[in-house]
Amino acid sequence: NAGVMQNPRHLVRRRGQEARLRCSPMKGHSHVYWYRQLPEEGLKFMVYLQKENIIDESGMPKERFSAEFPKEGPSILRIQQVVRGDSAAYFCASSVNGEEKLFFGSGTQLSVL
Amino acid sequence: TQLLEQSPQFLSIQEGENLTVYCNSSSVFSSLQWYRQEPGEGPVLLVTVVTGGEVKKLKRLTFQFGDARKDSSLHITAAQTGDTGLYLCAGWGSDYKLSFGAGTTVTVRA
Repeated sequence: NAGVMQNPRHLVRRRGQEARLRCSPMKGHSHVYWYRQLPEEGLKFMVYLQKENIIDESGMPKERFSAEFPKEGPSILRIQQVVRGDSAAYFCASSVNGEEKLFFGSGTQLSVL
Repeated sequence: TQLLEQSPQFLSIQEGENLTVYCNSSSVFSSLQWYRQEPGEGPVLLVTVVTGGEVKKLKRLTFQFGDARKDSSLHITAAQTGDTGLYLCAGWGSDYKLSFGAGTTVTVRA
């Protein structure tokens, strides 16, 4: 049973470009969470999704950031017109419906030049 | 957002010594979790504590949940170099979100 898969592991973008981060949850998991982490800091909640629904996006900036979890395919975190301050590690986690045990992916390290 | 404060931020000890990491909040959590994260990887769940006053042991690691369910501690006995890593506490709130502390970076020297 494969774990949570995130790709790419490393993503380099220039200011103004778009970044697309993908997350495939564990098999059978229908809940996905996205977190952002800066060096030597804990993880900051961004968004909580179920299939085709955004449950809570209170941690995500209202501009330039969007997330989706379609019926088929991976969850996508999209950052438009990236700025240097978007540089961080972005982690995805998944869980079985109603469970509090989260399984994390290895993250995507986004670097904005 | 419910805040979790971890202390100390950094901890460096000699192999064989004991260490304790603390996690405190002014909020009550339905459950509290401890994760360990290694460089370049995602956090891995170590334990979940649910009941106030609960103590759980995982080999040389002892986890305690405060009676009021607002604080927790992680104690490692006879630390080994393999215990080196970032230890994160996280609490599930009534808003169904998992909030993380800033973490404690533990370095165990050989």
